[in-house]
Amino acid sequence: GQNIDQPTEMTATEGAIVQINCTYQTSGFNGLFWYQQHAGEAPTFLSYNVLDGLEEKGRFSSFLSRSKGYSYLLLKELQMKDSASYLCAVRDSNYQLIWGAGTKLIIKP
Amino acid sequence: SQTIHQWPATLVQPVGSPLSLECTVEGTSNPNLYWYRQAAGRGLQLLFYSVGIGQISSEVPQNLSASRPQDRQFILSSKKLLLSDSGFYLCAWSVLRWETGELFFGEGSRLTVL
Repeated sequence: GQNIDQPTEMTATEGAIVQINCTYQTSGFNGLFWYQQHAGEAPTFLSYNVLDGLEEKGRFSSFLSRSKGYSYLLLKELQMKDSASYLCAVRDSNYQLIWGAGTKLIIKP
Repeated sequence: SQTIHQWPATLVQPVGSPLSLECTVEGTSNPNLYWYRQAAGRGLQLLFYSVGIGQISSEVPQNLSASRPQDRQFILSSKKLLLSDSGFYLCAWSVLRWETGELFFGEGSRLTVL
């Protein structure tokens, strides 16, 4: 079967750095996505990786290792507004998205 | 620019009652359209997707149905709701194989079945 694993919840301090990991086992691979979802709201796109390596976008970076079936989202200089759930999703060989359950990130002052 | 709207935002329905959630997309043509359901502590579950008018693919057998009467309109329906239908429903659109093919979501509809 297809599976996406990510931690259920993480806590970090304002101004610090946090890394959210995602491991996957899917039927084929056509890219990995990270989405941010604030409580009660719809997910919004953060990043996309299809080749190995690091993609940087301001305070957020996303890393992919296809051979290890592994990705992480790195958030720097954490702000209170970063408190949200972070969803990892992999697009399989049929171009369908397989979603992880999400990681709830709690930021403390 | 492209926008997507879905409604209603919140609804409380009794078991056995019908359901209709509507979603419209503006600013793009021939989008791929999706209905997802999100249950607490679980990943997004794809319910239906559509690549064109009248073309609906169902991913999970259940008492829900979807229709696409117009290019940019997607409707989720049920004739008789079950308690297990409660959840957060999300409509989304994408353009397959265009750049990243990311999904753009509507605001979401929270359904509580009592």
